[in-house]
Amino acid sequence: AQSVTQLDSHVSVSEGTPVLLRCNYSSSYSPSLFWYVQHPNKGLQLLLKYTSAATLVKGINGFEAEFKKSETSFHLTKPSAHMSDAAEYFCVVSWRGSTLGRLYFGRGTQLTVWP
Amino acid sequence: EPEVTQTPSHQVTQMGQEVILRCVPISNHLYFYWYRQILGQKVEFLVSFYNNEISEKSEIFDDQFSVERPDGSNFTLKIRSTKLEDSAMYFCASSEWAGINDMNTEAFFGQGTRLTVV
Repeated sequence: AQSVTQLDSHVSVSEGTPVLLRCNYSSSYSPSLFWYVQHPNKGLQLLLKYTSAATLVKGINGFEAEFKKSETSFHLTKPSAHMSDAAEYFCVVSWRGSTLGRLYFGRGTQLTVWP
Repeated sequence: EPEVTQTPSHQVTQMGQEVILRCVPISNHLYFYWYRQILGQKVEFLVSFYNNEISEKSEIFDDQFSVERPDGSNFTLKIRSTKLEDSAMYFCASSEWAGINDMNTEAFFGQGTRLTVV
């Protein structure tokens, strides 16, 4: 079965410290992987995406993620957290074997940033 | 910056009533989607729509649901005879192409409509 697992429902960090949000997927097919962010009362915004090009993907606002096929992971990182990063983050997967356009979401990770 | 807009932001309805959730996709986009998130659960795919017809639907999208593009700008989700378990956040999305595996394609999401069925 195809699934997406975000390993932490909540992550809290201090401003200026690194951020790590973990995501694992399971699939028989080659995945496309995305991270979306949702700020309060805002839509889901794409942070970055992996579609079989470079395994290290850089996104907006200093975020990056590395696709590791051997570990079936796509963890999101940022070297230094900012207060404005506080939001909910979704790891999202699409599979080549599925109809294009259908996305599968993880449960989300709520990131809190302390001053 | 172009964005997907959804109205209303909140909707409260009585069980058994019909509701219509409205979305205005980005103007040059051709593919449209509805997703929902029940409180505490994952965001789930409902339906995708292209060229005035449904291209894919999930097992959630039963006869109670319908979608329509009534004019050149709006994309609606109708829920007939709402049930308590339809209470959720509903997200509309659009993309220029269906090829989201393509480097240049992304799905743009609206801010969601929170539907509460009482």
